[in-house]
Parts: sequence; C-alpha cells; structure tokens
Amino acid sequence: KNEVEQSPQNLTAQEGEFITINCSYSVGISALHWLQQHPGGGIVSLFMLSSGKKKHGRLIATINIQEKHSSLHITASHPRDSAVYICAVRRAMNYGGSQGNLIFGKGTKLSVKP
Amino acid sequence: SQTIHQWPATLVQPVGSPLSLECTVEGTSNPNLYWYRQAAGRGLQLLFYSVGIGQISSEVPQNLSASRPQDRQFILSSKKLLLSDSGFYLCAWSLSANYGYTFGSGTRLTVV
Repeated sequence: KNEVEQSPQNLTAQEGEFITINCSYSVGISALHWLQQHPGGGIVSLFMLSSGKKKHGRLIATINIQEKHSSLHITASHPRDSAVYICAVRRAMNYGGSQGNLIFGKGTKLSVKP
Repeated sequence: SQTIHQWPATLVQPVGSPLSLECTVEGTSNPNLYWYRQAAGRGLQLLFYSVGIGQISSEVPQNLSASRPQDRQFILSSKKLLLSDSGFYLCAWSLSANYGYTFGSGTRLTVV
C-alpha cells in the first residue's frame, strides 16, 4: 500500500463546479504539500500545510493531522484549472524523515469542461 | 526574486550515451537541492538531494549520479544511459525542511 493515496485518480467537472481532491497518508508527517502539474510538466507549489486550513484565491487546502487526511478544494472551477494535482508529505524526523524525504501521491488528473 | 533554471527541456539520447542535466538557482544562498524523476504513469520519485556543496545523498540505487560543484548548481549525470532512464526529470530547491519547494520546468528524457 502506498504511503500517500489520492482520490479520485481522474476527475471531470463542468465549469463552475466545486471540486474536492482527497489525500490520505499513513506516516507521521511534519508538513503536507499540494502541487499543480500542468500538461507541459512544470510543477507549481500551491500550499504547504502542517495544520488547519489555507486559502489562496479559489483554492482551499485543509488538513486533519489526527485523521491523516487532507483535502484540496477548488471553488467556481474553470478550464484553466485543468491539471494534475499532487499531494506530497514530508515524513517527520522521528518517522525516518530526512532533508530530502518528500513522499508523493500519484496525482489526480482534473479536467474542467467549459 | 528566487528563480530556478533547468535545461534542456527535452532530450532524446541513444542507449549507452552519456547524460548531463543542469539545474541552477538564483536569488538564494545555500539552498537544499533535489532531483526527482517521474516515470510514465507513476508518481515523483526522489533521486538525489544535496544540503551543500559536494554533499550528495542518494535515495535510490540507479544508473545515475549527481554533483553539486557550486552552491547553486546541481547536475544529474550518467555515463551510459539505459532505456529505463527515460522519464521526466525535475530539479527543485527549498531553504530547509520547514519551507516550501520551488520546482524547475523539467526535462523530458527519452532514451532510444
């Protein structure tokens, strides 16, 4: 079983819909990252979370440390939001973490139709 | 402002040929530097990271090596490429474990 699981794998939505992407992890973490990968391959960091909730524009990320779960929400989705969204966790040092130890989910491919 | 440059964007190389991918960071000092690979249909996998000049840690045994000859330069190399080395290679930097990551634009390598 992967240490970071994302759902769904693929998501198709109509423009304007509210979108939720989920991430569950099984290790102790010091931080969780949400990343966006566009079709050309380049990756943009959206959020880094260690607790609570963060908001940037139409994007909201939440994390529940006790339940080992995070969600990424997109309000009023738009075709330009179409991308692969990747959840990644930094393993806590007392769980074998190191400077380089980000564990990635396989990503959720989002397609927003006009 | 901090920027990260990675080149080339695409590369097609024959099996057995050498490889050199370069990544440079501007606007920061003593960054942590990372090389990741994304194989087709799979998640990102950490290959190497460096916390300082000449300091390289390898996460996975493989046909590749990395070097950090200068503070803001990180190079990924191979003496002889294998077909299995094909993939999308990303360079990234962060200031420390408590900071976010900034990724380069990636290099799509096809070994033929």
